[in-house]
Amino acid sequence: DAKTTQPPSMDCAEGRAANLPCNHSTISGNEYVYWYRQIHSQGPQYIIHGLKNNETNEMASLIITEDRKSSTLILPHATLRDTAVYYCIVRFSSGSARQLTFGSGTQLTVLP
Amino acid sequence: GAVVSQHPSRVICKSGTSVKIECRSLDFQATTMFWYRQFPKKSLMLMATSNEGSKATYEQGVEKDKFLINHASLTLSTLTVTSAHPEDSSFYICSAPRQTGAADNEQFFGPGTRLTVL
Repeated sequence: DAKTTQPPSMDCAEGRAANLPCNHSTISGNEYVYWYRQIHSQGPQYIIHGLKNNETNEMASLIITEDRKSSTLILPHATLRDTAVYYCIVRFSSGSARQLTFGSGTQLTVLP
Repeated sequence: GAVVSQHPSRVICKSGTSVKIECRSLDFQATTMFWYRQFPKKSLMLMATSNEGSKATYEQGVEKDKFLINHASLTLSTLTVTSAHPEDSSFYICSAPRQTGAADNEQFFGPGTRLTVL
């Protein structure tokens, strides 16, 4: 699975959009980009994933660059409960029941 | 959505004792489950892959005789930390993959078990 690079920490004002970047310059053509988050002392929670196209669900939007070497997770209206560590993970195949390899992630702190 | 539970959520034990942690998939079957360990301010590290009906696969550096894994049914995997020592104190998290589409698969994580060895 391709390695990812994320900033260690970010702050965001409550109610504003939080944009979390991720670099995955060695991603291969059939690797998916997944985002999970982990609120303190809880298990990770799935947020969104995508292959090439931008994706949106009730939690967030995922913007993947055309060359697929980077992506951005967007929380459109951050709340205090969005404070968590956000992990960007690249996986070979979304259909594979393989383990996830977690990097260091980004600690997002939403400020009141 | 699919739910994965863990029991207990928190356990404190004396050094030298054994502790069993259960991981259950509540509304789906999982032939494979994963066990992770997370130390304070660190990321999750995969310990082992639990396979229903066969032996677990351990990551390099993880002692299989110390961390016993049993996947006796399609909804239950157990991790037993044998002869626990203070350095085994950690946050243990399990996950189970569930097919969510024809070619799609999502990992569902348990809430974690905080182990403190005195």
